[in-house]
Amino acid sequence: DTEVTQTPKHLVMGMTNKKSLKCEQHMGHRAMYWYKQKAKKPPELMFVYSYEKLSINESVPSRFSPECPNSSLLNLHLHALQPEDSALYLCASSRIASGSITDTQYFGPGTRLTVL
Amino acid sequence: SQQGEEDPQALSIQEGENATMNCSYKTSINNLQWYRQNSGRGLVHLILIRSNEREKHSGRLRVTLDTSKKSSSLLITASRAADTASYFCATDARGSQGNLIFGKGTKLSVKP
Repeated sequence: DTEVTQTPKHLVMGMTNKKSLKCEQHMGHRAMYWYKQKAKKPPELMFVYSYEKLSINESVPSRFSPECPNSSLLNLHLHALQPEDSALYLCASSRIASGSITDTQYFGPGTRLTVL
Repeated sequence: SQQGEEDPQALSIQEGENATMNCSYKTSINNLQWYRQNSGRGLVHLILIRSNEREKHSGRLRVTLDTSKKSSSLLITASRAADTASYFCATDARGSQGNLIFGKGTKLSVKP
């Protein structure tokens, strides 16, 4: 199984809502990532989890809260978002994430988020 | 600052022609990867080339890496309409803990 799954595929939420994005992989990967991608732009890294511990937070606002319940699951909790947060949110995983080795990242299909 | 920069930003060719996309980066890297993305969906990994490699092939793909010029190229031979997508290079700065930085991408359109 070389698939990364993400749910939901589409999400529309108001600025006062609380929602969560979910990501799952069963490849035994120990690194998982959240990226944000605006239209016609490249993906931008938000968070990296390595062995279920947050290793990188790229100065992301606190209205985005990541969680890694176990090695297969990654959540992104959303609260009080702004319309400019509307984007495609991509999850990825790789075997490892270390200072000396960069591994192939496998991406999910993304969640298209619209904040009204 | 952004690590990778692709050119051209957009490329339109006929089926059967070859497509060449270039990527330049700024700092020393462990490796460089190329990804493909269809219509704002997930990215698909195409090929990884390590900093001590100069050329790599995978099917119709050929990637070169010139670390002295801090540049890479992706060649797709005998293109097909199904190759229509955006192509991104991604690099990792040494010591970056796996942090990939993506270039702006090249949007390739292959006309049947």
